[in-house]
Amino acid sequence: SAVISQKPSRDICQRGTSLTIQCQVDSQVTMMFWYRQQPGQSLTLIATANQGSEATYESGFVIDKFPISRPNLTFSTLTVSNMSPEDSSIYLCSVEVAEAFFGQGTRLTVV
Amino acid sequence: GIQVEQSPPDLILQEGANSTLRCNFSDSVNNLQWFHQNPWGQLINLFYIPSGTKQNGRLSATTVATERYSLLYISSSQTTDSGVYFCAVSGGSSGSARQLTFGSGTQLTVLP
Repeated sequence: SAVISQKPSRDICQRGTSLTIQCQVDSQVTMMFWYRQQPGQSLTLIATANQGSEATYESGFVIDKFPISRPNLTFSTLTVSNMSPEDSSIYLCSVEVAEAFFGQGTRLTVV
Repeated sequence: GIQVEQSPPDLILQEGANSTLRCNFSDSVNNLQWFHQNPWGQLINLFYIPSGTKQNGRLSATTVATERYSLLYISSSQTTDSGVYFCAVSGGSSGSARQLTFGSGTQLTVLP
């Protein structure tokens, strides 16, 4: 199994600002995944983060809006840049150790 | 990519009732998981079940990989079972073997 500490758990941000979300894993993992869950919707993969290389983004998500860092095998950050109310969502990080485990999620509200 | 459909979208039960949630997927999978999302948004792992049957207390799950579906059974439901249940899979012949694709979820409400 894997234990993931994600923070912040929630935040309320002004439009036009940026928020960085952090995920710390209790073991070394090759890939970390970032998901977005818009209100009332399912989870959608934003990007896959490998240590030592650029993140791979899914269709509809771009690096300028969602820059990701992966400085080592236990840590990753996702930044939501130049936020608008449409970015209000739950953001979750995940790792796969045989099965997928998720952080607690970050509930973001943009006003 | 792989498609995942869950049914029913909404389910309302009286406490003590049993229920069955279904997940259909469009391609072969190497991972299938069931999650419960609590009201705070946290995803709780219920089952890792790409094939076969597992049970954990009042919950059990069965995946028939050859027929591309999985079922989650909840017996003697409790109000604390309320929330959204997600099925998620990875695999398929054209998509990534690692990333999960989520179904749209089943919103379960258990009434006291």
